[in-house]
Amino acid sequence: AQTVTQSQPEMSVQEAETVTLSCTYDTSESDYYLFWYKQPPSRQMILVIRQEAYKQQNATENRFSVNFQKAAKSFSLKISDSQLGDAAMYFCALTQYGNKLVFGAGTILRVKS
Amino acid sequence: DADVTQTPRNRITKTGKRIMLECSQTKGHDRMYWYRQDPGLGLRLIYYSFDVKDINKGEISDGYSVSRQAQAKFSLSLESAIPNQTALYFCATSPPAAASTDTQYFGPGTRLTVL
Repeated sequence: AQTVTQSQPEMSVQEAETVTLSCTYDTSESDYYLFWYKQPPSRQMILVIRQEAYKQQNATENRFSVNFQKAAKSFSLKISDSQLGDAAMYFCALTQYGNKLVFGAGTILRVKS
Repeated sequence: DADVTQTPRNRITKTGKRIMLECSQTKGHDRMYWYRQDPGLGLRLIYYSFDVKDINKGEISDGYSVSRQAQAKFSLSLESAIPNQTALYFCATSPPAAASTDTQYFGPGTRLTVL
């Protein structure tokens, strides 16, 4: 069975600084996708970034980038120049066959001004 | 208008009552999903459907049933609600495998409280 582990229940970052959220996963499949979703207090699930396992290049989306280490089964999210609007719960997720998502428990990110 | 809508957004009910949560989408996606979110557990899959005639159980289907009334509509029912079904429920959609980037698009969630 696929599993996703987020070992940091809560993280804090100063506004304008950089923070990295950790995620490890386990899967027996060779082809899969990894995601980071953001859930602000509005509770809407917002896709932050997506990574295809067959691509070696790390995905980036503006201030968000990932460090994908396939052999180590690690998928961390780096947020640069943190903003107050980045404060949210962040979920790491992995697709099983058939698009079924497996989620980690989440990391609460607090941004200090 | 939102691409994926859920009704109601909030619901308080009593133990033993039957509850239906509804999901509609205008994205034209074939695949639809129901998840529940509990603190410290992330989101877990309840049921999923790849087309109108396809219904599959997810990780935690006990106590729930679903109906796929049309490509755009997927409802979740709690036949006899119990307090440990208190949670935030999400509907999600994704395109078919051939066109898929494996990305799922979520509705705004339904907060359900069972007293």
